[in-house]
Amino acid sequence: DAGVTQSPTHLIKTRGQHVTLRCSPISGHKSVSWYQQVLGQGPQFIFQYYEKEERGRGNFPDRFSARQFPNYSSELNVNALLLGDSALYLCASSLGAHNEKLFFGSGTQLSVL
Amino acid sequence: DQQVKQNSPSLSVQEGRISILNCDYTNSMFDYFLWYKKYPAEGPTFLISISSIKDKNEDGRFTVFLNKSAKHLSLHIVPSQPGDSAVYFCAASGREGAQKLVFGQGTRLTINP
Repeated sequence: DAGVTQSPTHLIKTRGQHVTLRCSPISGHKSVSWYQQVLGQGPQFIFQYYEKEERGRGNFPDRFSARQFPNYSSELNVNALLLGDSALYLCASSLGAHNEKLFFGSGTQLSVL
Repeated sequence: DQQVKQNSPSLSVQEGRISILNCDYTNSMFDYFLWYKKYPAEGPTFLISISSIKDKNEDGRFTVFLNKSAKHLSLHIVPSQPGDSAVYFCAASGREGAQKLVFGQGTRLTINP
């Protein structure tokens, strides 16, 4: 069975550009969460989506947005990229909205130059 | 404001001995705690969890202990094996959102043969 898949695996952008990251959850999982992991730190919560609705949002600026599609896949969008947005972006899925046991993908490594 | 702290960035243990990883938290609203393991170029993998109504949970070689009065938890791995070498993250969640996990900074565990 396929795990959580994320694309692309690596991405290089310049300041001011916009980026879209994609995530496909494990089959049957209806909840998707996004986390940002800066080098040397633990992952930090950005968003949770369940049944296409936003269920939670972390302390990130409005430049960050996300959505979930009818097939439960998800996109994370970041506008007006800053150097500080360089990080590993992790997607995680779970069966339900309140299941803490998350299954993570391998992440998208974003570098902003 | 670091609500979950792992004060040891790294730990080196001899194969066959016990590894003890520590984690402290400040938010008394946290009621569920998890440990994740992360290998390079992979996403975090769930290891073991504990609810705040318990003080110990065991799964094979892995045991998590929770001391609520001290706001401290620890992960014991015994016996340690070379494949246990990875970065270990402590995470916590509260009633406000089960999937809004708050992670510590991580501890890099190295098991020496």
